[in-house]
Amino acid sequence: AQSVSQHNHHVILSEAASLELGCNYSYGGTVNLFWYVQYPGQHLQLLLKYFSGDPLVKGIKGFEAEFIKSKFSFNLRKPSVQWSDTAEYFCAVTGSARQLTFGSGTQLTVLP
Amino acid sequence: KAGVTQTPRYLIKTRGQQVTLSCSPISGHRSVSWYQQTPGQGLQFLFEYFSETQRNKGNFPGRFSGRQFSNSRSEMNVSTLELGDSALYLCASSQLAGGTDTQYFGPGTRLTVL
Repeated sequence: AQSVSQHNHHVILSEAASLELGCNYSYGGTVNLFWYVQYPGQHLQLLLKYFSGDPLVKGIKGFEAEFIKSKFSFNLRKPSVQWSDTAEYFCAVTGSARQLTFGSGTQLTVLP
Repeated sequence: KAGVTQTPRYLIKTRGQQVTLSCSPISGHRSVSWYQQTPGQGLQFLFEYFSETQRNKGNFPGRFSGRQFSNSRSEMNVSTLELGDSALYLCASSQLAGGTDTQYFGPGTRLTVL
């Protein structure tokens, strides 16, 4: 069965620090990859997605992610975080199961 | 376009009761998926409906069921509620089925089982 691992459960950064959140998936075939964000009290929102093409994808609010097929990874990055980026971040993949499989989430806290 | 809407937003039920949750997808979206979100298990897939047919089902007991209407609106039903069913239930819609398209999520229904 396909699975997604997010190794960082809670990340604490100061404003202006750089961010990288890890995401690894288990399925070896064709995958679609997503990062969603859940701000406090709000619903899940799509940050960015990868279906095919350029493995470096850019999303909203200055986020980007790189798909590295050989490493089964889709890490999320942002060069300079803001206090408003405090949220929970979920990596998700669709592959053989034809459904979204989510990682356990990473809680990001940005200190002002 | 209006986003995915879910009603009610909050529900309190007691063990043994049943509950029905409703989801209206984004206009033009024909696929509706349901997820359960809990602190312990995270986000887990319940089922997907496309054109009124269940296309895919997650690993949940038969107490969890759903349906989709001709206007793509979907309902999810949980019978014989258990304490462990307390969760945030999320609905997501997409144009295409089977995980081949981006899913957009609603705000969820917070179910508390006492």
